[in-house]
Amino acid sequence: GQQVMQIPQYQHVQEGEDFTTYCNSSTTLSNIQWYKQRPGGHPVFLIQLVKSGEVKKQKRLTFQFGEAKKNSSLHITATQTTDVGTYFCAGGTSGTYKYIFGTGTRLKVLA
Amino acid sequence: DADVTQTPRNRITKTGKRIMLECSQTKGHDRMYWYRQDPGLGLRLIYYSFDVKDINKGEISDGYSVSRQAQAKFSLSLESAIPNQTALYFCATSSLVGLGGKDLFFGPGTRLTVL
Repeated sequence: GQQVMQIPQYQHVQEGEDFTTYCNSSTTLSNIQWYKQRPGGHPVFLIQLVKSGEVKKQKRLTFQFGEAKKNSSLHITATQTTDVGTYFCAGGTSGTYKYIFGTGTRLKVLA
Repeated sequence: DADVTQTPRNRITKTGKRIMLECSQTKGHDRMYWYRQDPGLGLRLIYYSFDVKDINKGEISDGYSVSRQAQAKFSLSLESAIPNQTALYFCATSSLVGLGGKDLFFGPGTRLTVL
């Protein structure tokens, strides 16, 4: 079945450093979504990418969707303590409309 | 009021017991999902439903069953709970999906412990 892997599993950074998490799917995706889960909370939608090679920005966050629509990345510039949490990608497959989540990357930011 | 609610929020039960987790939403969404979260494994899809008459198995449906009682209600049952079903369970909803897909709205989660 479809699998979505994320690396790294954990990342500790000093405040102000950059952070990147990578998402790889075993199958071609129709779209990919990114979610953030704060400690003790529930996943919250951040963004959706649909087009091959698409790049979107939200303030310090940059999201990319690969040309082959099988991989994606989230890059945070100059991390802040408010960025702490687990970041998940979720791959959508055309025709099924269900989302398979990646394993998540847990980010800790040291002040 | 929260758009997606889950009850109970926490539950401790014993092996072999039948457990029902309930999810209600006021968002008017057609699509509802049950996920479980385990450390290091992310969120795994258990069941999903695109309308009241539509139920679909996800990645890990064995040992679980669901009921879509109404558009706004989707319950998850563990017929005979076992310890490896100890996890955090999330209900989620989304609106009708077009070619681009729609985002998921998650409930607050139910933490289930099976002893």
